[in-house]
Amino acid sequence: ETGVTQSPTHLIKTRGQQVTLRCSSQSGHNTVSWYQQALGQGPQFIFQYYREEENGRGNFPPRFSGLQFPNYSSELNVNALELDDSALYLCASSSAPGTSYEQYFGPGTRLTVT
Amino acid sequence: KQEVTQIPAALSVPEGENLVLNCSFTDSAIYNLQWFRQDPGKGLTSLLLIQSSQREQTSGRLNASLDKSSGRSTLYIAASQPGDSATYLCAVKGGPGTYKYIFGTGTRLKVLA
Repeated sequence: ETGVTQSPTHLIKTRGQQVTLRCSSQSGHNTVSWYQQALGQGPQFIFQYYREEENGRGNFPPRFSGLQFPNYSSELNVNALELDDSALYLCASSSAPGTSYEQYFGPGTRLTVT
Repeated sequence: KQEVTQIPAALSVPEGENLVLNCSFTDSAIYNLQWFRQDPGKGLTSLLLIQSSQREQTSGRLNASLDKSSGRSTLYIAASQPGDSATYLCAVKGGPGTYKYIFGTGTRLKVLA
């Protein structure tokens, strides 16, 4: 069974640029959630995708957007990067809503905005 | 609005001690509660998941309990080891119609050899 993978591991961008982060869900999972974790804080929910549709969104501006593909992998796109976007971005996959809903996290992408 | 609090924020104990980490939440209408471990700069590793209908779950030296009515969960670690040093996070998922986990800020545990 393949776990959740994320790429890239680290990324350095300049304020105003755009970034795309990628996530491959665990085998058999069709739901992907994205979280932002600032240093010393717990993860904050960005949004969730279920069967290629956005299934819920946290308090993040529209410049945070996402996609889910037919193989259930997912992308997180952030436009017009700001310094405060520097964080660890975590992807979690789970089985369909209504099941045990246990979340399995990937290793994260460390984004630094300068 | 659901809020999750973890106390203490940091804990340092000698090897071999049994210890308890606390997690409290303000809205008792939860679907489940999950405990995670996070090593510095790394992703989250799931430790235990407790469904709202359950009172506790056990895995090896770990035991997690859930008291929904009082909005509390505890993670008990028996015979702590230096390898247990990490940040421990709890997260709750709300009832039907909700889709996200709300996390606490974690407890940083250091087990001294």
